[in-house]
Amino acid sequence: SQKIEQNSEALNIQEGKTATLTCNYTNYSPAYLQWYRQDPGRGPVFLLLIRENEKEKRKERLKVTFDTTLKQSLFHITASQPADSATYLCALAFLDYGGSQGNLIFGKGTKLSVKP
Amino acid sequence: EPEVTQTPSHQVTQMGQEVILRCVPISNHLYFYWYRQILGQKVEFLVSFYNNEISEKSEIFDDQFSVERPDGSNFTLKIRSTKLEDSAMYFCASRRNKKSNQPQHFGDGTRLSIL
Repeated sequence: SQKIEQNSEALNIQEGKTATLTCNYTNYSPAYLQWYRQDPGRGPVFLLLIRENEKEKRKERLKVTFDTTLKQSLFHITASQPADSATYLCALAFLDYGGSQGNLIFGKGTKLSVKP
Repeated sequence: EPEVTQTPSHQVTQMGQEVILRCVPISNHLYFYWYRQILGQKVEFLVSFYNNEISEKSEIFDDQFSVERPDGSNFTLKIRSTKLEDSAMYFCASRRNKKSNQPQHFGDGTRLSIL
């Protein structure tokens, strides 16, 4: 079965620094991969989507990369702020696992804390 | 910006009782999903729904679960006879279409507590 690992349960950084979060997967490459933000007691909020034929996507201070050779996605937040503190989830859609219908397999998430 | 809404935000139910969780997806979206998240664990896929029928379901989605789109706006998840282990956050999500550049948008969930 497919496994998704987000390598850190928690990441603490100083305000203004770049946060880099990692998402690794096993076996097959996903058709696409999404990053979400989740605050306590709230639902996941969509941030960025990257498809298997794309290397990099950007949105404001956010950047995601996708390396199908390494089976890894990196998620970067530049010039981090205390308001960026949250849990960040990666979610993958695999065509052989209902991905054609959009079913997502989630990692456990990385809790980011940005200190002032 | 349009959003997925879920009601109630918190549901407390006795074990063995039926519960219905409600969702209003984004209005022009065609694909609908339910996920659950047990406290401290990852978000898990339950079921996907398109064109008034189930597209995919996970092993979690057994005969105790059912979904319905009773009218043009609501999407419901019913658990027929709840168990203690059904306690979790239940999230509804919707997606505009099947294209791979279309993300899923989630509601804020219903916290289900089984006593």
